[in-house]
Amino acid sequence: DAGVIQSPRHEVTEMGQEVTLRCKPISGHDYLFWYRQTMMRGLELLIYFNNNVPIDDSGMPEDRFSAKMPNASFSTLKIQPSEPRDSAVYFCASSLPGTSGGARNTGELFFGEGSRLTVL
Amino acid sequence: AQKVTQAQTEISVVEKEDVTLDCVYETRDTTYYLFWYKQPPSGELVFLIRRNSFDEQNEISGRYSWNFQKSTSSFNFTITASQVVDSAVYFCALSEAFIYNQGGKLIFGQGTELSVKP
Repeated sequence: DAGVIQSPRHEVTEMGQEVTLRCKPISGHDYLFWYRQTMMRGLELLIYFNNNVPIDDSGMPEDRFSAKMPNASFSTLKIQPSEPRDSAVYFCASSLPGTSGGARNTGELFFGEGSRLTVL
Repeated sequence: AQKVTQAQTEISVVEKEDVTLDCVYETRDTTYYLFWYKQPPSGELVFLIRRNSFDEQNEISGRYSWNFQKSTSSFNFTITASQVVDSAVYFCALSEAFIYNQGGKLIFGQGTELSVKP
């Protein structure tokens, strides 16, 4: 089975440019999460979706960040305009509900390989 | 509020030594789930184990073992006879039951970087 797929794997851009990160969750997973990893702040949850609907975006740092999930197989995280402090690895993860009846799950998040963003 | 603390930022051991990674958590929920993830140098996050708050039995999987103690709010991870391939950053994480049963929103600790030298 294909895992969570993220693109691009690496992105280098200049301050002020728009950045779009993409994620394809595992087919059949109802939940999608965007995390950011930095040395200073570790792994932070930015936002998560259930059945394409944003449930909690309290971790989104500011209005420059936005996320969408137009369908069950695709999500984007956009930063506009980007700033050097946005440099980080952005992870997408998906999961089934822990009590999903009839569906095999062990309750963990399945992570993509991450998108490393560098803003100069 | 929930919080996960991994006090050890970096640990360095020599191959074949045993090593324990500490994890202390805070939660107001009586039902919650604890996890360990491994992040090797390649960068991906790999699930190792999930534990629910009602199951305090220790678990062993090969060279890995986990010690869950509710009384001290700790969920420590021990690697026996460490190997160079164990070198990675290890994250402890917590999910409160209501959130967990709605999909698994995790709060992570800061991670412990383990370096195993030959």
